Amino acid sequence: NAGVTQTPKFQVLKTGQSMTLQCAQDMNHEYMSWYRQDPGMGLRLIHYSVGAGITDQGEVPNGYNVSRSTTEDFPLRLLSAAPSQTSVYFCASRGTVSSGNTIYFGEGSWLTVV
Amino acid sequence: AQSVTQPDIHITVSEGASLELRCNYSYGATPYLFWYVQSPGQGLQLLLKYFSGDTLVQGIKGFEAEFKRSQSSFNLRKPSVHWSDAAEYFCAVGPPFTGGGNKLTFGTGTQLKVEL
Repeated sequence: NAGVTQTPKFQVLKTGQSMTLQCAQDMNHEYMSWYRQDPGMGLRLIHYSVGAGITDQGEVPNGYNVSRSTTEDFPLRLLSAAPSQTSVYFCASRGTVSSGNTIYFGEGSWLTVV
Repeated sequence: AQSVTQPDIHITVSEGASLELRCNYSYGATPYLFWYVQSPGQGLQLLLKYFSGDTLVQGIKGFEAEFKRSQSSFNLRKPSVHWSDAAEYFCAVGPPFTGGGNKLTFGTGTQLKVEL
């Protein structure tokens, strides 16, 4: 998982609290995204970005906000946490075709909402 | 809409036996195809990927996968499984153009158990 750093690795939140999951990559990748992983459902795309200042919704965006003010960082914000957001979150980044199109994943953030 | 089906939720094989994990996809064109492996409590590790060219793709850890356009399949194989291969395996597809970024669609995963 070279180059994609996620923090925190573990977090417990109370319902209604807000928090931000941080994601940073040092590979100058244009494309970044956030996925959540739930048992029996694989990974589902929450939000993605194709470059600084550009974000868009994925498959399950409700309850999450993102921003991309720099190429390196792509934070995921939970505005008012709900138990349904208990999940494992993965950030990913990818370079261009010329860089091999390899997608790099962070090591994941385990979030529990009680 | 693109989709990925991994029909086997759990598979158990004996160490040394051959392995095939199935993956079928639905997509309007030939997508980018990936196999990832995830050990418990860990992140995702890329095993192999297919973008174009030779339909038999070699990956890390002795894995290979074959893209069959007529069957919309991208099955993962290994001739001899090792106990350390026990993990969950995910097939994923992504759009075959740079504008798609990394909008991957994942299958629900296949849990592999290896019996000694």
